[in-house]
Amino acid sequence: QKEVEQNSGPLSVPEGAIASLNCTYSDRGSQSFFWYRQYSGKSPELIMSIYSNGDKEDGRFTAQLNKASQYVSLLIRDSQPSDSATYLCAVNMILTGGGNKLTFGTGTQLKVEL
Amino acid sequence: GAGVSQSPSNKVTEKGKDVELRCDPISGHTALYWYRQSLGQGLEFLIYFQGNSAPDKSGLPSDRFSAERTGGSVSTLTIQRTQQEDSAVYLCASSLVEGSIYGYTFGSGTRLTVV
Repeated sequence: QKEVEQNSGPLSVPEGAIASLNCTYSDRGSQSFFWYRQYSGKSPELIMSIYSNGDKEDGRFTAQLNKASQYVSLLIRDSQPSDSATYLCAVNMILTGGGNKLTFGTGTQLKVEL
Repeated sequence: GAGVSQSPSNKVTEKGKDVELRCDPISGHTALYWYRQSLGQGLEFLIYFQGNSAPDKSGLPSDRFSAERTGGSVSTLTIQRTQQEDSAVYLCASSLVEGSIYGYTFGSGTRLTVV
């Protein structure tokens, strides 16, 4: 089982629709969860963080967390062509030496069509 | 600096040569991470520096890879005797505190091509 799993897509949605991106993780001890957006040829950019069960909204983005189900999702409302990118789910995990790192999923490619 | 700076942005090297990749984190950020991303793949953790503590090297794929961080700031990732499978984008990230709590800021990466 991968530590962080995402559907690779592509996920195609029409402009103005809601895009729903999903992620599951294996470590029940994880406490911090992030969504990064990565445009082709660019580095990842942090767009959302969530730490508690429930929903967290920021503009057109809503992150949802369910620790019991080990599930994180990202909703993008009123999707725009500029939202077309790969979305990476990241989960904190404990390093063997006691520190922390973020473990990333392989990403879901989102295409917003005109 | 205003962001995480990496150099060079692109590097083409011959198989068997050594390469050095540089990362200059955001000023004041104590945590620094190196990841690599192969074409179509996710981000693979390589190494983590936190302040003056010993680095966590658990992600380094072989003993050809090493990294250091001088003065708690600039970091250099060295790959010795490069192989074609080392071709990837090498990303550096930094964070004010442990990045897994607040997330990282990534640099623009170094694209390494081994021919």
